[in-house]
Amino acid sequence: DVKVTQSSRYLVKRTGEKVFLECVQDMDHENMFWYRQDPGLGLRLIYFSYDVKMKEKGDIPEGYSVSREKKERFSLILESASTNQTSMYLCASRGGTGRKKLFFGSGTQLSVL
Amino acid sequence: DQQVKQNSPSLSVQEGRISILNCDYTNSMFDYFLWYKKYPAEGPTFLISISSIKDKNEDGRFTVFLNKSAKHLSLHIVPSQPGDSAVYFCAAHGSSNTGKLIFGQGTTLQVKP
Repeated sequence: DVKVTQSSRYLVKRTGEKVFLECVQDMDHENMFWYRQDPGLGLRLIYFSYDVKMKEKGDIPEGYSVSREKKERFSLILESASTNQTSMYLCASRGGTGRKKLFFGSGTQLSVL
Repeated sequence: DQQVKQNSPSLSVQEGRISILNCDYTNSMFDYFLWYKKYPAEGPTFLISISSIKDKNEDGRFTVFLNKSAKHLSLHIVPSQPGDSAVYFCAAHGSSNTGKLIFGQGTTLQVKP
């Protein structure tokens, strides 16, 4: 079974802090994604990566950056957390060309106070 | 600009009856559609998908219908069970895009015993 592991289930941070959300997948998938889920807005894509050291902006990249130094790990960084970044963050991975199904982690509920 | 829309935020159905969840999209380039189910505090899990060359796909109690001319798809669950109570997201993938899945806002299904 594909396993996508997010390092924290719940996180509470202060405004202005730098926040790291970590995601690891064990299926040697090329593609990895970061979404956030907010009530009434569904899942919105923040950043994605096709391969190591590659990254592409999604629909709402402002205030975020990412890092993919190894194939299995994709990190989301909030440079200076703000209260409007309080959300459920979901990491996902997918195999190579032609495959469309994403496998999601359990999510990290981030609260910024 | 919401390219994938689920206009019903919630749906309540009696156990044993049919649940019908709807999804509309605006981009005619979308060529593959997926439904995901999400329980609280868990990541979304893949449920069923359909290619644009088909108009129906069935998997057990779950059937997805696609009407390309109307840019509309629906998920039918028959018979509905209390364990089906969850948030359902539809998602679309385009042949010409960069591999992103675009998600709808989600519909919360409650199946009453």
